[in-house]
Amino acid sequence: DGGITQSPKYLFRKEGQNVTLSCEQNLNHDAMYWYRQDPGQGLRLIYYSQIVNDFQKGDIAEGYSVSREKKESFPLTVTSAQKNPTAFYLCASSIAGAHEQFFGPGTRLTVL
Amino acid sequence: GQQLNQSPQSMFIQEGEDVSMNCTSSSIFNTWLWYKQEPGEGPVLLIALYKAGELTSNGRLTAQFGITRKDSFLNISASIPSDVGIYFCAGPNSGNTPLVFGKGTRLSVIA
Repeated sequence: DGGITQSPKYLFRKEGQNVTLSCEQNLNHDAMYWYRQDPGQGLRLIYYSQIVNDFQKGDIAEGYSVSREKKESFPLTVTSAQKNPTAFYLCASSIAGAHEQFFGPGTRLTVL
Repeated sequence: GQQLNQSPQSMFIQEGEDVSMNCTSSSIFNTWLWYKQEPGEGPVLLIALYKAGELTSNGRLTAQFGITRKDSFLNISASIPSDVGIYFCAGPNSGNTPLVFGKGTRLSVIA
């Protein structure tokens, strides 16, 4: 079954701790994306990667970091520098050059 | 940055009613995408539009690419309870740039 997986579904962390969210896809897509969603808001782009070992900042990259060492994986680290990290995080992927993005089920991060 | 404005922000309808929502931009888009997000889940792609004036259906859903290329419309006919969710429009600014998303229309269906 092809798709995008994000784990865990729910994540709790103490303030000041870094936390890494997992995103894996077996769709053979070249491009991957991370979005943040807050209640009543649309999706805001954090980082994206169009090819392995390369990535670009989105609109709200401050306080976040990513890596793209493998085509299938695009982990997102929420650092302690992120002022308001509690949110729903969505990962997506797409074929290179295509606009249609396909989303994972999301990870809800709560920082206590 | 580029913004997409969706209206209405929310709507409550009776089961069986038809629904219309729209998405507008101040600049031209070459592609319009419509997604549905159910509570606690990731968005699912419903319809993609690629040409001005294009009308595309997916079951009870019909979407149109506006002639001016600055708007798009989504209609749902004979709504059912499982239509509940948030409907987002999205499109690329230009070329290979990532998508920009509207803030969504939240649909509630009263049985």
